[in-house]
Amino acid sequence: EIVLTQSPGTLSLSPGERATLSCRASQSVSSNYLAWYQQKPGQAPRLLIYDASNRATGIPDRFSGSGSGTDFTLTISRLEPEDFAVYYCQQYSSSPPGLTFGGGTTVDI
Amino acid sequence: EVQLLESGGGLVQPGGSLRLSCAASGLTLSNYGMTWVRQAPGKGLEWVSGIFGSGVPTYYADSVKGRFTTSRDNSRNTLYLQMNSLRAEDTAVYYCARHIRYMDYWGQGTLVTVSS
Repeated sequence: EIVLTQSPGTLSLSPGERATLSCRASQSVSSNYLAWYQQKPGQAPRLLIYDASNRATGIPDRFSGSGSGTDFTLTISRLEPEDFAVYYCQQYSSSPPGLTFGGGTTVDI
Repeated sequence: EVQLLESGGGLVQPGGSLRLSCAASGLTLSNYGMTWVRQAPGKGLEWVSGIFGSGVPTYYADSVKGRFTTSRDNSRNTLYLQMNSLRAEDTAVYYCARHIRYMDYWGQGTLVTVSS
């Protein structure tokens, strides 16, 4: 099973600042099948990025994903007030089929 | 518009059983893989189970293997999670989601509490 480690655990920033979130895998992620989600209290997760660098439908371009192999990054170029939330990375393996989530990074003010 | 609506959560005693449902509208479940994800109170996301669009195979996290079963009723366009031998550590909000290699549509979740 691939273990995903997110860092930092908490990122304290101000609106307008840049946020850089890291997700490290214990082994190479197949075909860069790595996704990022945003979750706010009381809400379901929301897909931001899939296949490491593709923005999901309706996601603002201030969100970007990069990386390959075992090291991946989510960048929020200029934080808006609505971006303060918890962010999770997730990988998918096809053989055997399964997926895992990272432990999450909280972005707060 | 795609909507996923979970139901069936509630309070159950340790060792008991519960069946969750996920009713879909705006998409045909048999055309897609689906997955169950849970979140214990104040904790992160944990993948539970998945099912391919073809219906086979189903696959499970080690923490629920042998106790949980995922199935689908195409005529009702509904996904199910049968949970047996429930433990306190199964207490969580359970979400269903459409699964490609990532989850793009999610339900609102249903809370399962395992307690005596």
